[in-house]
Amino acid sequence: EAQVTQNPRYLITVTGKKLTVTCSQNMNHEYMSWYRQDPGLGLRQIYYSMNVEVTDKGDVPEGYKVSRKEKRNFPLILESPSPNQTSLYFCASSPAAGGKSEQFFGPGTRLTVL
Amino acid sequence: DAKTTQPPSMDCAEGRAANLPCNHSTISGNEYVYWYRQIHSQGPQYIIHGLKNNETNEMASLIITEDRKSSTLILPHATLRDTAVYYCIVRVANNAGNMLTFGGGTRLMVKP
Repeated sequence: EAQVTQNPRYLITVTGKKLTVTCSQNMNHEYMSWYRQDPGLGLRQIYYSMNVEVTDKGDVPEGYKVSRKEKRNFPLILESPSPNQTSLYFCASSPAAGGKSEQFFGPGTRLTVL
Repeated sequence: DAKTTQPPSMDCAEGRAANLPCNHSTISGNEYVYWYRQIHSQGPQYIIHGLKNNETNEMASLIITEDRKSSTLILPHATLRDTAVYYCIVRVANNAGNMLTFGGGTRLMVKP
């Protein structure tokens, strides 16, 4: 089944404790993105990747890192999480860039930073 | 990307057609109209997209006015599982960042 998977789905952690949220897609998509969703602020892009070893900042990259060593995986790294990073996170992938291609979203990771 | 305006909420009876409007009066010629939906904090789900012609797939139909300033998403036979927030998004074709910007959306409640 074609899908985007994220792990963990739920995570409660403390300020400053490094964490990684994994994202994997099995559709051989070139483009992958990370978004966060907060009440009243909609969906905001954190980072995106156009292909292996190619990543770039989205709208809200501060406090996050990503890597794209393999086409299928795009982990999101929080080196020193803070409470303002408490949010619902979504990974997405698409076969191409731009407005001609739909994006496929993962199920989400709900992160709480105490 | 052009801004969109949607009603904040709508109700629909189960089995009836749900017609969700979207205004995008500042849309430019190379911008597509996309519809996504999100069911209670699940990952957003792609529904349909179009440029200027009407489109239909297994989920829905998209009607775009001739001047492209507005569109309507039609769910032909709404079910309770269609209860969700529906987002209308306008995106340029060469959006290199592939970013999706979701506005407030329309909260559709399908009632038995």
